[in-house]
Amino acid sequence: DAMVIQNPRYQVTQFGKPVTLSCSQTLNHNVMYWYQQKSSQAPKLLFHYYDKDFNNEADTPDNFQSRRPNTSFCFLDIRSPGLGDAAMYLCATSIGVYNEQFFGPGTRLTVL
Amino acid sequence: AQSVSQHNHHVILSEAASLELGCNYSYGGTVNLFWYVQYPGQHLQLLLKYFSGDPLVKGIKGFEAEFIKSKFSFNLRKPSVQWSDTAEYFCAVTMRFGAGTRLTVKP
Repeated sequence: DAMVIQNPRYQVTQFGKPVTLSCSQTLNHNVMYWYQQKSSQAPKLLFHYYDKDFNNEADTPDNFQSRRPNTSFCFLDIRSPGLGDAAMYLCATSIGVYNEQFFGPGTRLTVL
Repeated sequence: AQSVSQHNHHVILSEAASLELGCNYSYGGTVNLFWYVQYPGQHLQLLLKYFSGDPLVKGIKGFEAEFIKSKFSFNLRKPSVQWSDTAEYFCAVTMRFGAGTRLTVKP
């Protein structure tokens, strides 16, 4: 089945230790998104890729970076995680930015 | 800036009760509107969407939503909920999400 896969599902890191979250898709969608979701809050868009074009949200901290080496893969790098970065990170894909999104299961990040 | 507001954080209903979840947004241009659902232990999935045309849209599992442009609203409805509708419901405008409404349906 075509799907969006996120690895790992659970990630524990230490304060200040860089961490990378992975997302892959078999849908061949041209847009990929990263969201941060904290408990009882809206998924917050961090950035998205339209093909190879990177679109950063104005309020996304510099601590968050992303890479999309090819259509199928997208990575979220957190350079120096703080306690406030503990959250669920969701990856999603779509055909164009105005269409429905397909979500992965998320990676829950814990920062010790 | 675009924003999406969902006024109900947690709704508790008995089976067969009617459901209406509110969603309002602030954006003056053309909008694509979505409702997503997240069942316990599952990932977000599309419930229904509105791009243009008939403002009353029907989705899966008996859900429908009405787009009222003058009110900047896109409320979700279901005439008779089931226990299996227990989930979290998110309204979205293009790629911006509301905070979600947790629905608990008591058997």
